[in-house]
Amino acid sequence: AQSVTQLGSHVSVSEGALVLLRCNYSSSVPPYLFWYVQYPNQGLQLLLKYTTGATLVKGINGFEAEFKKSETSFHLTKPSAHMSDAAEYFCAVSGNTGFQKLVFGTGTRLLVSP
Amino acid sequence: GAGVSQSPSNKVTEKGKDVELRCDPISGHTALYWYRQRLGQGLEFLIYFQGNSAPDKSGLPSDRFSAERTGESVSTLTIQRTQQEDSAVYLCASSYLSTGGPYNEQFFGPGTRLTVL
Repeated sequence: AQSVTQLGSHVSVSEGALVLLRCNYSSSVPPYLFWYVQYPNQGLQLLLKYTTGATLVKGINGFEAEFKKSETSFHLTKPSAHMSDAAEYFCAVSGNTGFQKLVFGTGTRLLVSP
Repeated sequence: GAGVSQSPSNKVTEKGKDVELRCDPISGHTALYWYRQRLGQGLEFLIYFQGNSAPDKSGLPSDRFSAERTGESVSTLTIQRTQQEDSAVYLCASSYLSTGGPYNEQFFGPGTRLTVL
C-alpha cells in the first residue's frame, strides 16, 4: 500500500523568497515520486519526477526536489518565488511495477505575495 | 497533437439522476485512468484501462459507478442514481502502455466538475 502526506494545506511566501513544500510518502515497494502543479482552471501538469538514478531532480520553472529514502521524503523547493508560481501543488507516489496508478497527497496551495 | 479532453466541463444534476462523463485521450495512448478530486482532498484513483480492458477497478466507490472504453480511445464514466457525495472534479489521464519499467507520463485532462444538488 502507498500513501502521501503533504504538510500544510496552504503555504504563503513573498516574491523572491524560498519555496519549500513538504511531502512524505509511505510505500511497500521502491517508489516513483512526482510533483504536479495545478493552475486555476487548468489540468494537472507534471513538474518533476523521481524514478531511478540521481536523487536530486530538477523540473520545470526552476523547481527541484530531493528523494531522501531514509526520511521517506520528497520535498519540493525553489530558491526564489515568482508571482506566477501561485497554484496548487500535489505530491504523488506510484509503484515501479505493474500499471502505474498514482496515489496523491491532499495538495498544498502556494500563495505568493508581492 | 491535442491533449486529453473531457466533456462536459461542468455538469449540474439532481440527486438520483444518472450522468455520463466523457474522456478523449491523446491519440496512441493505450493506458487511460480516471481519478476523482473532492473538495479539500487529493485525487483518488477510480479505474484504469489498458486498451479496452480494465485490469483494476478497485477505486470505484460503489456499484453505481461504471466505466467503459471503446476502440482504445474514448472512455465514458457513468454514475447512476447520483448522490451529493458524488460532487467532485473527475479527471481523466492517459499515457502510453503502462507496465513495469520506464515511467510513462500520465497527461491529465482539465476535468469535469460535477455538482449534485
